[in-house]
Amino acid sequence: GAVVSQHPSRVICKSGTSVKIECRSLDFQATTMFWYRQFPKQSLMLMATSNEGSKATYEQGVEKDKFLINHASLTLSTLTVTSAHPEDSSFYICSALVQSWGDTEAFFGQGTRLTVV
Amino acid sequence: SQQGEEDPQALSIQEGENATMNCSYKTSINNLQWYRQNSGRGLVHLILIRSNEREKHSGRLRVTLDTSKKSSSLLITASRAADTASYFCATDGTASKLTFGTGTRLQVTL
Repeated sequence: GAVVSQHPSRVICKSGTSVKIECRSLDFQATTMFWYRQFPKQSLMLMATSNEGSKATYEQGVEKDKFLINHASLTLSTLTVTSAHPEDSSFYICSALVQSWGDTEAFFGQGTRLTVV
Repeated sequence: SQQGEEDPQALSIQEGENATMNCSYKTSINNLQWYRQNSGRGLVHLILIRSNEREKHSGRLRVTLDTSKKSSSLLITASRAADTASYFCATDGTASKLTFGTGTRLQVTL
């Protein structure tokens, strides 16, 4: 299957600093990627849809100025958590869609564990 | 987006037993997918079932779909300790967005 690489897998940062998370499609081009957030023992919540060459579409309640998304190429989307605070500590996961035989399948990155201290 | 509900929230079984997880959703769908997540890792796609399908098999996995009840089930037969993970159903929506269920945490003990 398609491979989506997410980096870093873990990051610890100080409160007030910014953190950038990268999501790469390794063997295919992805015009659309998705960013999710997951709290412990909970499900994935969609934060935003990243569109190559245009602005991201944010879900209701997600601050676009805090969670900056850039999708400058067909294989890379980045999520920057700006002015991070402890409540931003979470597991962030990206995904990219692949069309196959009329079905759309989502491939996920390995996730990034963000801890803000 | 509204999530579907999965039950049970947690399931503990012994190796060799079958595990059944259920998922209910709220809106019409084109397909429903099941994913597996090991602790602290990304999601792995297990199986996709289309809205016009009622049952699908893949190895030890069996998925059913009842669109009239807006529900699906995932059966893992002859479970192994390595099957220990969280399992999520996901339904497609507008703009190919996936809406995930609340998940079932499966623990398979030796």
